Amino acid sequence: SAVISQKPSRDICQRGTSLTIQCQVDSQVTMMFWYRQQPGQSLTLIATANQGSEATYESGFVIDKFPISRPNLTFSTLTVSNMSPEDSSIYLCSVGTSGSFAGQFFGPGTRLTVL
Amino acid sequence: GENVEQHPSTLSVQEGDSAVIKCTYSDSASNYFPWYKQELGKRPQLIIDIRSNVGEKKDQRIAVTLNKTAKHFSLHITETQPEDSAVYFCAASGVATNKLIFGTGTLLAVQP
Repeated sequence: SAVISQKPSRDICQRGTSLTIQCQVDSQVTMMFWYRQQPGQSLTLIATANQGSEATYESGFVIDKFPISRPNLTFSTLTVSNMSPEDSSIYLCSVGTSGSFAGQFFGPGTRLTVL
Repeated sequence: GENVEQHPSTLSVQEGDSAVIKCTYSDSASNYFPWYKQELGKRPQLIIDIRSNVGEKKDQRIAVTLNKTAKHFSLHITETQPEDSAVYFCAASGVATNKLIFGTGTLLAVQP
């Protein structure tokens, strides 16, 4: 399976600032996704990162708060904007293959704490 | 949209016993059902999956069963070992979107 890395692995940020998280894959992948996992909770899909076009956001998530870029088939960024303590979470990217097999593999995650 | 419910939220078993985790889904169009294991501080790892055209799949000590009519699927772990202790998540998706909707998770503790 693909090797997925994320930067940074963790960060502590001040309220009102923004943080950009990078996701790098060692091979070209069709699909990339961004998830949020709040402490002790399940994973919630934020958006599908589409290569060459705007991301597709899930209900409750908006582009102004979570802008996403996907310039090519191996890289994506998620920005958490104007942060508040409620944004403290683990943010994970995942990659999937197209076709009938829909398995996804996750990056190591970025642990964000907002003070 | 899809909604996935998972039970139980916590499960404690003795080493060597079996463990069963159950999930139900709401969208009859969902056709792919993976299970993930997440150890503390680690990323979720895909451990087994099943597609809607299959009723059961087995991989060594783990198996997954799917009942499309009832819209539920289950994870079965036999001969549990302490290293099976983790949080397990079920998920559901459709081929058209590939979006995974996750259950709430089950904390499995295997007591030696």
